[in-house]
Amino acid sequence: DAKTTQPNSMESNEEEPVHLPCNHSTISGTDYIHWYRQLPSQGPEYVIHGLTSNVNNRMASLAIAEDRKSSTLILHRATLRDAAVYYCILTAYNTDKLIFGTGTRLQVFP
Amino acid sequence: KAGVTQTPRYLIKTRGQQVTLSCSPISGHRSVSWYQQTPGQGLQFLFEYFSETQRNKGNFPGRFSGRQFSNSRSEMNVSTLELGDSALYLCASSLAGGPPDTQYFGPGTRLTVL
Repeated sequence: DAKTTQPNSMESNEEEPVHLPCNHSTISGTDYIHWYRQLPSQGPEYVIHGLTSNVNNRMASLAIAEDRKSSTLILHRATLRDAAVYYCILTAYNTDKLIFGTGTRLQVFP
Repeated sequence: KAGVTQTPRYLIKTRGQQVTLSCSPISGHRSVSWYQQTPGQGLQFLFEYFSETQRNKGNFPGRFSGRQFSNSRSEMNVSTLELGDSALYLCASSLAGGPPDTQYFGPGTRLTVL
């Protein structure tokens, strides 16, 4: 299973953009990049995923490096409800298996 | 549409007993995965089922087993419980079948082994 590396923690102020980095230098050509987050006392929640191109949805944007060895999750305007642990995960084709690392704990200050 | 449901939500067992946890996926979802979450080890993948077949298995001892029924509902069983099995057990479902799909997690079953 290809591994990802994320900072342990990050901080942001409310309404500021947040860029959460993820390194995945051993990614294979068919691995998808997924982001999930886990709010306190809840199960993980899907945020976004992509393969090669940048992706946008109502929650966030995913910027994928051209060589696919790194990616960045972008929260355009952080809110207090975005405080969570964010996991960057590589998934192979034809499986839902998620290998969670330690993730990045995001703190958002008012 | 109802989300993923897990029963029971809380469970207390003693060492040596066995336990069965249940997961009902979102209607129409055919893939169910199970995860164990502990403070020390974080979230760990247990197994994945698709159309009643185990598609992937994590690195857990044989005491941990699972199955999926024709209606996509899934159960996991842990036999000969140990103290270290105390954890939050999470189930996730997705439409699945091809490229990795969005997984929806249930609220989990909190298992305490005394």
